[in-house]
Amino acid sequence: EAQVTQNPRYLITVTGKKLTVTCSQNMNHEYMSWYRQDPGLGLRQIYYSMNVEVTDKGDVPEGYKVSRKEKRNFPLILESPSPNQTSLYFCASSLNGYRSGANVLTFGAGSRLTVL
Amino acid sequence: AQTVTQSQPEMSVQEAETVTLSCTYDTSESDYYLFWYKQPPSRQMILVIRQEAYKQQNATENRFSVNFQKAAKSFSLKISDSQLGDAAMYFCAYGDDKIIFGKGTRLHILP
Repeated sequence: EAQVTQNPRYLITVTGKKLTVTCSQNMNHEYMSWYRQDPGLGLRQIYYSMNVEVTDKGDVPEGYKVSRKEKRNFPLILESPSPNQTSLYFCASSLNGYRSGANVLTFGAGSRLTVL
Repeated sequence: AQTVTQSQPEMSVQEAETVTLSCTYDTSESDYYLFWYKQPPSRQMILVIRQEAYKQQNATENRFSVNFQKAAKSFSLKISDSQLGDAAMYFCAYGDDKIIFGKGTRLHILP
């Protein structure tokens, strides 16, 4: 089944404890992206990647890191989480990196992160 | 910069009735794409409909249709014969080199 898989689905952590949210897609998609969803704010892009070894900042990159060493994987790293990073996180992918906004996004199931 | 505005944070509709969710956007581009995504209580984001700006014909998917007014920069979603399973958050999105989401409209279906 074609899908985007992200883990963990739920996580409660404490301020300053490094964590990684993994994201993997099995569709050979070039484009991958991370979003955070907060009430009243919709989905905001954190980072995106147009292909392997190519990553760029989205609208809210502060406090996050990403890497794209393999085409299928795009982990989101919170080096020192803070309570304002408590949110619902989505990984998404689409076929092409060029004109990525033209393509339908396939989303993961979401990861609910709470930072105490 | 491109923006997407959904002016209705919440809406309710009686089961089997028709409801329209509004979306406006701002852009100086002529070639772009518009989307409606649905997020049910399961949180999964699901594509409802996609519209290419250069196509004048409004996109339709079963009970879901759009009213695309390019000059007015409006892209509303009409849901006909509303069903309980339509209850969800609906996000309008604009895409060219990147995709931008609106803040969402939560739709309640009243039995």
